[in-house]
Amino acid sequence: AQTVTQSQPEMSVQEAETVTLSCTYDTSESNYYLFWYKQPPSRQMILVIRQEAYKQQNATENRFSVNFQKAAKSFSLKISDSQLGDTAMYFCAFMKHAGNNRKLIWGLGTSLGVNP
Amino acid sequence: EPEVTQTPSHQVTQMGQEVILRCVPISNHLYFYWYRQILGQKVEFLVSFYNNEISEKSEIFDDQFSVERPDGSNFTLKIRSTKLEDSAMYFCASSETGQVSYEQYFGPGTRLTVT
Repeated sequence: AQTVTQSQPEMSVQEAETVTLSCTYDTSESNYYLFWYKQPPSRQMILVIRQEAYKQQNATENRFSVNFQKAAKSFSLKISDSQLGDTAMYFCAFMKHAGNNRKLIWGLGTSLGVNP
Repeated sequence: EPEVTQTPSHQVTQMGQEVILRCVPISNHLYFYWYRQILGQKVEFLVSFYNNEISEKSEIFDDQFSVERPDGSNFTLKIRSTKLEDSAMYFCASSETGQVSYEQYFGPGTRLTVT
């Protein structure tokens, strides 16, 4: 069975600084997808960034980038130039690519606070 | 931009009562999901639905739960006899089909409180 581990329950960063959230996963699958979702106080689940396991290039979305290390089964999220609006819970999630079974398996989340 | 909607935003019910949570997925999406998040805990997969049938369900999704797509636009989750431990945030999600079909779009959630 797949598992996702986020070892940092809480983190904080100063506005405009850079922060990295860690995520590791365990799977025997070779083809899968990884995601970071953001959940602000409104509790809406918002996709931040995604990575296909077959792609060696790390995904980037504006200030958000990932460091995907397939052999190490590591998928960290880097937030550059942190903004107050980045304050949220961040969840790492795994999905195996297997027909119609596309459930997301979630980590416990990291609560990120951005300080002014 | 199309979005997933959910109603109600908050539902309070008494233990033993039936509740129906409603979702309207994005119109051209064919895969539908329900997840739940007990306060302060991880998000848990409940069920996935494709081609008018359940494609996968978790251990949580027992006989008290059912899903339905009654009219081609709504996607509902029914809990037949609610328990205190069903209190949680319930999220509906949908994804399209095709090459780039894995991204799941989430609704804003329904907060269910069982008293």
